[in-house]
Parts: sequence; structure tokens; C-alpha cells
Amino acid sequence: DIVMTQTPLSSPVTLGQPASISCRSSQSLEHSDGNTYLSWLQQRPGQPPRLLIYKISNRFSGVPDRFSGSGAGTDFTLKISRVEAEDVGVYYCMQDTQFPLTFGGGTKVEIK
Amino acid sequence: EVQLVESGGGLVHPGGSLRISCAASGFSFRNYRMHWVRQAPGKGLVWVSRINRDGSTTDYADSVKGRFSISRDNARNTLYLQMNSLRAEDTAVYYCATAISIFGSGSMDVWGQGTTVSVSS
Repeated sequence: DIVMTQTPLSSPVTLGQPASISCRSSQSLEHSDGNTYLSWLQQRPGQPPRLLIYKISNRFSGVPDRFSGSGAGTDFTLKISRVEAEDVGVYYCMQDTQFPLTFGGGTKVEIK
Repeated sequence: EVQLVESGGGLVHPGGSLRISCAASGFSFRNYRMHWVRQAPGKGLVWVSRINRDGSTTDYADSVKGRFSISRDNARNTLYLQMNSLRAEDTAVYYCATAISIFGSGSMDVWGQGTTVSVSS
């Protein structure tokens, strides 16, 4: 199975400041079809997960443009340009390039 | 409105069985692959199982293979997860999820609210 490793585990951020989350996979996530099936999900407290970014950098409908994704191969990053109070929660990376689908362990974003 | 609503969770003894359901509405259920994902208390997300559009192909995580069975009834727009030989480590919130507007993009853009399964004596 592909192991997804996220850092940091926790990210205390001042409102209005940027935040960055790293996700590293144990194998390249580039599929034989040329796509890289790496996505990012947000889980607010007490809520189900919500899709933010798919295929590395595609922002899902309705997701604010302060969220951006980048990376390639085995190294990926989610950036929040200016953290707002509603961004508090846990963020997960997820790969669906190789069966079985696997998630990172999560990064908790909290306000300082 | 596109919606997934899970039900059927509860408290069950170790070794027991439970069937949970996921009712879909607002989209053409029969056209989409469906997944179950679980989250143990205070822990991260773990993929459990998936089923293709007509139910002919199913896949499972190693941790549940041989104990859990996923199925669907496209006439009733409902997804199921039959869980047998339950263990304490199966205690979790179980979410159903699918990819609709990002179909084929390797993620899930629609999630239910989850149903809680507790395995304890």
C-alpha cells in the first residue's frame, strides 16, 4: 500500500497569515494514464470531510481561492494564503493512483 | 440537492453483525461508484470498501476482507455495508462517499454525515 505522510501534525497559525501542509507518498503518484490522483480534504470539527483540491491543484467548486495545491511525484503541498477562522480543522491528503486508496494521517490547523 | 444519508449504526457486541445503509438522492445513483470510509474516534480517515456502478465489482481493505460485504440496490438508490464478526477496532464513524462532478478524478466530492458503529461488550 502507498503510505501518505503529512507534516506537520499540527499548525498553529495567526489569522490572516499563511499556512502550508506537506504530504509525501511512499511511491510516485503519477498514474500510467499521465494523471496524478492526489487530493486534499478538509474536515471541520464535527463535520464530514469536504473536498478542497483534486489532481494536485484543481480547486473544487466553491472552494475559496486562498487554497492552492502543488507538487509532483511524491511531494505535495497545500497552501492557505491567509488563514481565516473558518479554516480551523484537520486537513488530509489522499491518493487514488494505486489500489487501495490511502489517506495521510491529517494535519490540524488551529488559530494561535 | 445531492445528498447521502447513512443510517443503521449502533452498539453491537464483539463477534456480532450489523448492516448500515446509505440513501442517495439528487443524482443518478446507478451511474456512480460508491465508497465506504471510516474514522475511529479521534483518528484519521481510512478507506474501507468500494463498489462499481452495477454492483458486479467490489473491493475491500485488508482489515475487513472476508468480514464485510458491500452491496447496492440501484432501484432503491441505496448502498449497504454488511459487517460480520465485528471487533472493537471496527468502532468508528462510517461515511459513504462518491465522486459526481469530478467523476474520474480520483477523489470523492460528496460525503454523507456518517453513522456511528460501536463494538463493545
